[in-house]
Amino acid sequence: GAGVSQSPSNKVTEKGKDVELRCDPISGHTALYWYRQSLGQGLEFLIYFQGNSAPDKSGLPSDRFSAERTGGSVSTLTIQRTQQEDSAVYLCASSPPPGTTQYFGPGTRLTVL
Amino acid sequence: QKEVEQNSGPLSVPEGAIASLNCTYSDRGSQSFFWYRQYSGKSPELIMFIYSNGDKEDGRFTAQLNKASQYVSLLIRDSQPSDSATYLCAANAGGTSYGKLTFGQGTILTVHP
Repeated sequence: GAGVSQSPSNKVTEKGKDVELRCDPISGHTALYWYRQSLGQGLEFLIYFQGNSAPDKSGLPSDRFSAERTGGSVSTLTIQRTQQEDSAVYLCASSPPPGTTQYFGPGTRLTVL
Repeated sequence: QKEVEQNSGPLSVPEGAIASLNCTYSDRGSQSFFWYRQYSGKSPELIMFIYSNGDKEDGRFTAQLNKASQYVSLLIRDSQPSDSATYLCAANAGGTSYGKLTFGQGTILTVHP
């Protein structure tokens, strides 16, 4: 079956602009996660959604970052007023119940000039 | 203090040798542990997960878990050049945030012919 998909695959933006990154999880997966990976670094947890429960936003680095998940499926990560330090690969993952194996999408490489 | 720490790399082994990757975690509430492999420029892909103390084998891979010592390891037997990648250890959070995974910084493995 189809895996996790993300769009766009690459995004170049100017400092101060807003960007939206999209994630389409594996069908039937109830949990969805966003991570950030800077060059040569490990994965930094950002946020996760489980069903209709309130999301765990504990990893969002600032109030410029927000995410929503509509209809328990597709998710959008929004970064407002982008800064150069926001440049990274943003990875989305989904899992059946939370705490089980997470399957990753191909990522969106964000470059802020 | 990092919550998941991996042995410092890079690790270089000759083809056919056993590669040993180690990981410790600080959250005693963690119940699920995962090893992911990440090729350069690609997203992480699951190798193995382990929940119970002891060994779990899958082909050339063996995961070992010791909850008392808060230690997880991955052994790769008969290492191949195609095993050259970054290996990420992850542990789920204890308590109500059990869906959240914390990743180590990764260990770069190079298998040379």
